[in-house]
Amino acid sequence: EAQVTQNPRYLITVTGKKLTVTCSQNMNHEYMSWYRQDPGLGLRQIYYSMNVEVTDKGDVPEGYKVSRKEKRNFPLILESPSPNQTSLYFCASRGRKNRLTGELFFGEGSRLTVL
Amino acid sequence: KNEVEQSPQNLTAQEGEFITINCSYSVGISALHWLQQHPGGGIVSLFMLSSGKKKHGRLIATINIQEKHSSLHITASHPRDSAVYICAVRRVFGNEKLTFGTGTRLTIIP
Repeated sequence: EAQVTQNPRYLITVTGKKLTVTCSQNMNHEYMSWYRQDPGLGLRQIYYSMNVEVTDKGDVPEGYKVSRKEKRNFPLILESPSPNQTSLYFCASRGRKNRLTGELFFGEGSRLTVL
Repeated sequence: KNEVEQSPQNLTAQEGEFITINCSYSVGISALHWLQQHPGGGIVSLFMLSSGKKKHGRLIATINIQEKHSSLHITASHPRDSAVYICAVRRVFGNEKLTFGTGTRLTIIP
C-alpha cells in the first residue's frame, strides 16, 4: 500500500532533549516536505527537499534540521526542543509524475508536546 | 495581513445544499492547492489549479488569476463532506514553498 509513515505519532518530551521525527515513503517520490499545524495559524512549511541531498527552508525553519540521505526518508530533527515547538507535524511527499496534478501524499501526523 | 485568506472560517449547512468556500491571496502564484483535512486529522489533496476550473465528482474548484481568488464548490453536500478545507498557494519564484490559509471548517447536518 502506497503510504507516508511518520513516527512517533505522539510524543511528550522536555525542553532541550534532542528528538527526531521520522518520515518514510514507499512511492519513490522525489519531493518531500515537513509542515507544522497550530491553532489559528494553520499549516506552515518548515523544510522541503526536491531530491536526495537537496533541501531548502520553508517559512518556519528556525529550530529544526532535516536531512535527505536516501530518497525514501526525510527525518525532522529538533536539536534542542522548546515549548514553542509544541505542535502537530505533517510530512508529505509527491512524485515527479504527480507534479502536474500537484497531488501531495500526507502522513498521519505527529503530535509533539514539549514541556 | 495574511497572504492567503479563506472565508468563511466556519460554515454549517444542511445536507444537499450547495457549498462555496473562498480563498483570496495577495501574492503572485504559480499554482493553488485545495486540501481536505478529515475530523481525524488526515489530510488529502483535492485539486491543484493554475487557471480555469477543475471538477472531481461533486467537487468543483475555480480560480481567477486576475482577481487573485479561488473558490471550492461542493454540490449535493453530504455529512461525509464535513471537514476542514484548506487552500495553499505556491508563489511565483518560490520554488516549492507553500503558503496556507487557516482553513474553513465545514459541517453538514443530516
